[in-house]
This record gives sequence, structure tokens and C-alpha cells, in this order.
Amino acid sequence: NAGVTQTPKFQVLKTGQSMTLQCAQDMNHEYMSWYRQDPGMGLRLIHYSVGAGITDQGEVPNGYNVSRSTTEDFPLRLLSAAPSQTSVYFCASSYGNGGEAPYFGPGTRLLVL
Amino acid sequence: RKEVEQDPGPFNVPEGATVAFNCTYSNSASQSFFWYRQDCRKEPKLLMSVYSSGNEDGRFTAQLNRASQYISLLIRDSKLSDSATYLCVVKDFGPSYDKVIFGPGTSLSVIP
Repeated sequence: NAGVTQTPKFQVLKTGQSMTLQCAQDMNHEYMSWYRQDPGMGLRLIHYSVGAGITDQGEVPNGYNVSRSTTEDFPLRLLSAAPSQTSVYFCASSYGNGGEAPYFGPGTRLLVL
Repeated sequence: RKEVEQDPGPFNVPEGATVAFNCTYSNSASQSFFWYRQDCRKEPKLLMSVYSSGNEDGRFTAQLNRASQYISLLIRDSKLSDSATYLCVVKDFGPSYDKVIFGPGTSLSVIP
């Protein structure tokens, strides 16, 4: 199993550009989520999904869109990048609603100029 | 008040020392608890789950006190490789939601 994979690893954008961060898992996990991590702020939940076709907002959803058309994939879209979105983005997944711990992808480092 | 709070750190300890991390959480309905480890510029990785009866994994011991809403992690005989940030994680879930909250983390440096 590859586990949770994320692409790209690094990205530089200009203000106003859009892009999609990819996340995929091959563990048949129902639950997937996106976090951003900033110095001194810890991990903050952006969006999450409890299954294909179902998504919901987390703590900091503004400026991001998600969709979940398959169990395996959960892309995160930046609609119009802003410097405040410079961060490290982590995707995580876990089995369906329950007490299981989430597994994380390796992260995407995004710089918005 | 933050939902999950941890010792501010950083902790700088010599090799072989015992170090304890503390964590408190605000939601008494929280159901699952974990400790994660995060190395610099890497993703968080599960260190261990925390059970009400307390649990041990080698040099690591985790404790949960639901009445006090308190979680702890004890590391015995610290190794240089234990240097990392330790994240306290609390999970609350139901039929249509699954909320995972991370603490801010406590940094540990083990010194030769």
C-alpha cells in the first residue's frame, strides 16, 4: 500500500492563481481531511469528508473548495491564491466514523507570492 | 480557551532522562485520544493511542483521565532519536461527523 499520497510536494504560485492539491489513499478509508500547518498555529482543519459525495467545512475553509467523487481521492482547490495561504498542507485519512487515528500524507509546501 | 492545550515547551533533556508531557481538552464528549510525533518538515505520525486504562509501548506510557480531561505521555530513557514535536490529539465522532482536534504540540530536544 502507498498509504496517503499528495502531489505536488512543492508549489510556488502568484497571487490570484488557482491550483489543485491532490490527495489519494489506497486503504479504502471513508474519512478524509485537509489541514494546514503554520508556525505557531498548529494543524487547522480546512475541509473534511466522511464519504464519497459528502464534504463539510472545518475551522478555516475560506478560499478553498473540495469535492469527493471517489473514495480514493480528495482534491483541495485554491480558487484565487493569496499570500495568507502560504503554508504546509497535509491530507489525512482514516476508516469510517469511529475511534481510529488518521494517517497523514507527506504534505505539500505552498508559497504564494 | 483552546480545545486542546499542551505544555508550551520546549523541553531540553539529556539522554537517558525521563520526560512527561501533559495535555488537557475542553470537550467532555471527546471519545478517542492519541499522541502523534512530528519531525521537522515531516507529516505527523501516530505514536500511540491512549486508553482509559493507560497503555504502554516500550519506553512510552500514555495515561487518560476522563474526569479531569487530561492526557499524559511519559518517555523513559530518552534517546536522541526522540527529539521531535509531540502532538496531543482528541477525536469526537458521530453518525455524520468526525472531528479531530490537534494540540499545538510540545517540542522535545534530547541532548547528548
